[in-house]
Amino acid sequence: AQSVTQPDIHITVSEGASLELRCNYSYGATPYLFWYVQSPGQGLQLLLKYFSGDTLVQGIKGFEAEFKRSQSSFNLRKPSVHWSDAAEYFCAVDPLNTGFQKLVFGTGTRLLVSP
Amino acid sequence: GAGVSQTPSNKVTEKGKYVELRCDPISGHTALYWYRQSLGQGPEFLIYFQGTGAADDSGLPNDRFFAVRPEGSVSTLKIQRTERGDSAVYLCASSPAGGGEQYFGPGTRLTVT
Repeated sequence: AQSVTQPDIHITVSEGASLELRCNYSYGATPYLFWYVQSPGQGLQLLLKYFSGDTLVQGIKGFEAEFKRSQSSFNLRKPSVHWSDAAEYFCAVDPLNTGFQKLVFGTGTRLLVSP
Repeated sequence: GAGVSQTPSNKVTEKGKYVELRCDPISGHTALYWYRQSLGQGPEFLIYFQGTGAADDSGLPNDRFFAVRPEGSVSTLKIQRTERGDSAVYLCASSPAGGGEQYFGPGTRLTVT
């Protein structure tokens, strides 16, 4: 079945440590790929997106993600986490590759940052 | 400029009642989307408007759900005969013409008792 999987429900990282959030997708063709962040009381905010080309994508707030076709993965990384990064992170795909029209989201990973 | 706004921020209703949820998109954005986010889940697509018309309503769960956007700006999501399973956060997003990044509102938390 077509799906987006975020295998980690919660992750705790020490402030200043590196971060990697996992995302795998199951679609016949490579969909457009996105990472969003949701902070309490805030709307979802786009961190970065991948449509084609360079498989390492830079986003806002110091985040980056790497697309790996062989693994059907689009993992989010940050070299040094700040306390303000504590939030819920969602991987999403546009399976029809039409732009941003009909996003399918994973179940999210909640990031906790310890002092 | 102002972002996407949604009203009310919270709505508590009794089972069987009718509710309306409102979304004010970013000015000039022609595309508007509704999603539903249940507890512990990611947002789930409901419906997408391009202008006044629903371009894709395939995510509406059943005929109790209906959405309108009569003037191509504000949209209202309408739920008839609410059920406890409708309890969720309803998110609205808008984007410029021709696609582009979706800008999300803060959501309306609906609780059906």
